[in-house]
Amino acid sequence: NAGVTQTPKFRVLKTGQSMTLLCAQDMNHEYMYWYRQDPGMGLRLIHYSVGEGTTAKGEVPDGYNVSRLKKQNFLLGLESAAPSQTSVYFCASTKAIGAPSSYNEQFFGPGTRLTVL
Amino acid sequence: AQTVTQSQPEMSVQEAETVTLSCTYDTSESDYYLFWYKQPPSRQMILVIRQEAYKQQNATENRFSVNFQKAAKSFSLKISDSQLGDAAMYFCACLPAGGTSYGKLTFGQGTILTVHP
Repeated sequence: NAGVTQTPKFRVLKTGQSMTLLCAQDMNHEYMYWYRQDPGMGLRLIHYSVGEGTTAKGEVPDGYNVSRLKKQNFLLGLESAAPSQTSVYFCASTKAIGAPSSYNEQFFGPGTRLTVL
Repeated sequence: AQTVTQSQPEMSVQEAETVTLSCTYDTSESDYYLFWYKQPPSRQMILVIRQEAYKQQNATENRFSVNFQKAAKSFSLKISDSQLGDAAMYFCACLPAGGTSYGKLTFGQGTILTVHP
């Protein structure tokens, strides 16, 4: 049981390049999330998915797109990378929403450090 | 919408001593969950403790306990008998309990805890 995995762990891009971050979970979780972590700002939600084939915008969605074609995978795309997208990206998943409270625990991947030059 | 504020960017403690990390939050929801996550240098996000807002009793997990003051919207984390392995970034987070929240966590800015031997 690998939990939540992210690929790649590190990446350096030039401004204007594109890339896709892959998140995979083997816990059969319905809900998946992409966050970015920046110094002094904590983690902020980019996009999320409440099930296969569905996605929605979070707090900071501009410049990113996502897809959830399979329940276990959640992809985050950067179509034209900008230096402002230099960050650490985390994927997370959770079993369900509501009681009991343990269902609401989010399990995080190890993160991807992205640098855009 | 929720806001979570951690007013202590950095804290330090001597090994075996006790330290308290502060967190305040604001939410219009009547029911919600509060969490403390630990992020060691490995970057992995680890759930430390959770609190259901409807429960008056403060949550405890071994050396970790919280002081939950619902009226004051305060949720502090106390670490007793601090160990070198407790050194990390700590994040406070809030999650509305309702289904329409879709499990979207709101994080504070984080507090870096240093443990001195």
